[in-house]
This record gives sequence, structure tokens and C-alpha cells, in this order.
Amino acid sequence: QVQLVQSGAEVKKPGASVKVSCKASEYTFTDYFIHWVRQAPGQGLEWMGWINPNTGGTKYAQDFQGRVTMTRDTSITTAYMEVSSLTPDDTAVYYCARPQRDEAVTGDAFDIWGQGTVVTVSS
Amino acid sequence: SYELTQPPSVSVSPGQTAKITCSGDALPKQYAYWYQQRPGRAPVLVIYQDSQRPSGIPERFSGSSSGTKVTLTISGVQAEDEADYYCQSADTSDSSWVFGGGTKLTVL
Repeated sequence: QVQLVQSGAEVKKPGASVKVSCKASEYTFTDYFIHWVRQAPGQGLEWMGWINPNTGGTKYAQDFQGRVTMTRDTSITTAYMEVSSLTPDDTAVYYCARPQRDEAVTGDAFDIWGQGTVVTVSS
Repeated sequence: SYELTQPPSVSVSPGQTAKITCSGDALPKQYAYWYQQRPGRAPVLVIYQDSQRPSGIPERFSGSSSGTKVTLTISGVQAEDEADYYCQSADTSDSSWVFGGGTKLTVL
């Protein structure tokens, strides 16, 4: 079945970077954008941005511009999300998600989610 | 920036009807979506385009829209429905996605 499988938990020190992967399977990887959403402990969902796996084009939420980089490797149907200059406030579960439709529709629903990757930032 | 507002918590007894609201100025023009999130799990889409139910979602979940408010209704609530629920829509001012703050549904 269609699924997104993310990389494992990470522990990082403040100031470091973290790169999370999201491997897609059972659908044409380049047909659907991949989005990233994070959730701090006990908090709500926060949209971070998207990457178009077909073109490599990206859009980042304002709060993450300059600190987040989204990339992809189409040969292994994997998307990546890197956060730099980590602070304890970046401690969260990071999810990748696929929208319902294979077209660029702002605000479209996410019907496929990865299992989440826990990133802990602590000295 | 654009915000979607949800009540922090809703409580209901088993078998009763739960209504969770989400308010936003652009909701008359933009679809809303609803997700269920159980502890330690990824969100699951339960309603799309205001009132459509994905395959596999029980019929007791329904959605409606009226003006600047959308409502998720769970009829005949079961213990397994206890979870956090999030609404989501579009912020067309900068082509971004926005989530409500979430509502914790407690089944008494």
C-alpha cells in the first residue's frame, strides 16, 4: 500500500543540524508534493513547507525560511528535510505527509503520513 | 498571519454526540479538513473538503460548514474516539497551510 517511511529518532546538541528522510513507496514519487509538519511536545501541528519531487521546487513557511532545507532524491524515491542551527525549541516530532491530489492545490488535505521522527535537541 | 480557532477541549459521554468547531475568516471561501490524532500516532484524515469522508472512516464522523465556522460531528461517540482533533485549511495570502490549535476530545 502507499506509504511514507521516515528515518529514526535523533538527538542533537544546540547549534547542530539534523536531516530527516522520508521514503515513499507504492506510488509515482514525482506525481505528488511532499510536505513536512512538526509537533512540539504537547503542542499542535505546525506546517513547515513542501517540496515538489518532480522539479525540486520548494516553499517554506515564513517561520522556517533560512533554517530549513528540503531536498529529494528521485532515484530512491526519498525526500529529505534538514533543520540547521537547532535550539531546544526545535525538539519535536517531524512528519512528512502527502496531499490527496496530484496537483498543486494550496491547503489540500494530507491523506498519507509518515510515522514521525522524534528529534531531541539538548546539551 | 491567518489563524484557525478551536476550543481546547470537548467532553462527551459514550453514545452521545460530540461537536468540535473551527473558526476562520477565510472558511467561507476555502475548504476545511479534519484530522484525528491518537497519542503517539500520526494524524489521520477523517473529513476532507468540509464534509467528505475518506474511505474507511466510520459513518459516525461528519462535517459541515456555515459561514466562518466549520464543525466536526461525531455521532454515537465511542471510547476509541478519544483523541486530539485538528482542523486545517489554506492561507491564500501566502499560499501556505494552516492548522487549528487542536481540540482534545474526552469520552467520559
